[in-house]
Amino acid sequence: DAKTTQPPSMDCAEGRAANLPCNHSTISGNEYVYWYRQIHSQGPQYIIHGLKNNETNEMASLIITEDRKSSTLILPHATLRDTAVYYCIVKAQDYGQNFVFGPGTRLSVLP
Amino acid sequence: ETGVTQSPTHLIKTRGQQVTLRCSSQSGHNTVSWYQQALGQGPQFIFQYYREEENGRGNFPPRFSGLQFPNYSSELNVNALELDDSALYLCASSFPRGLAYGYTFGSGTRLTVV
Repeated sequence: DAKTTQPPSMDCAEGRAANLPCNHSTISGNEYVYWYRQIHSQGPQYIIHGLKNNETNEMASLIITEDRKSSTLILPHATLRDTAVYYCIVKAQDYGQNFVFGPGTRLSVLP
Repeated sequence: ETGVTQSPTHLIKTRGQQVTLRCSSQSGHNTVSWYQQALGQGPQFIFQYYREEENGRGNFPPRFSGLQFPNYSSELNVNALELDDSALYLCASSFPRGLAYGYTFGSGTRLTVV
């Protein structure tokens, strides 16, 4: 079973920030938080990952709470092309383990 | 650099038949994982290959098997196809010994069993 809980769906207005929450209250000390997204009929796409510090890249920002029990993915200026299913996954950075996907959050960016 | 490529993109098979799906990993990646994604669900881990050996397996029966070749490409074989095997099959590759950038996924093979 997935170790994360996400809302099933969210809407966001185009050009506004999209804030996608994720709960991972049972996360272990060596587990990272990964975010992927899946646009219809494509494979999942890596967005960002982090351990305990906030992270930012060209796609998004990841905010992890101090107790690491939850996190938020932020898309600063959502576009219609950001409409997708977003998956939050916790996993140790060990090649012997694999991602356990939950149902994710279906984000709809509205014009 | 090229990403992960999968073939074929779509496939229709009859119940009881066998199928082979193929995956070419991203350049420099020597670890390949396969996932099954049923309609409306998240991907489910099937198995992983590292240096041509199976290195982890999810809750899938033995009729799901795989291979990894010296060039790190991989095959997924499914015997005795069942209707419930209809799904999107995803291949993902990664750098060895670390997931600094996570897995790179292919676009998948859509298998329909009739």
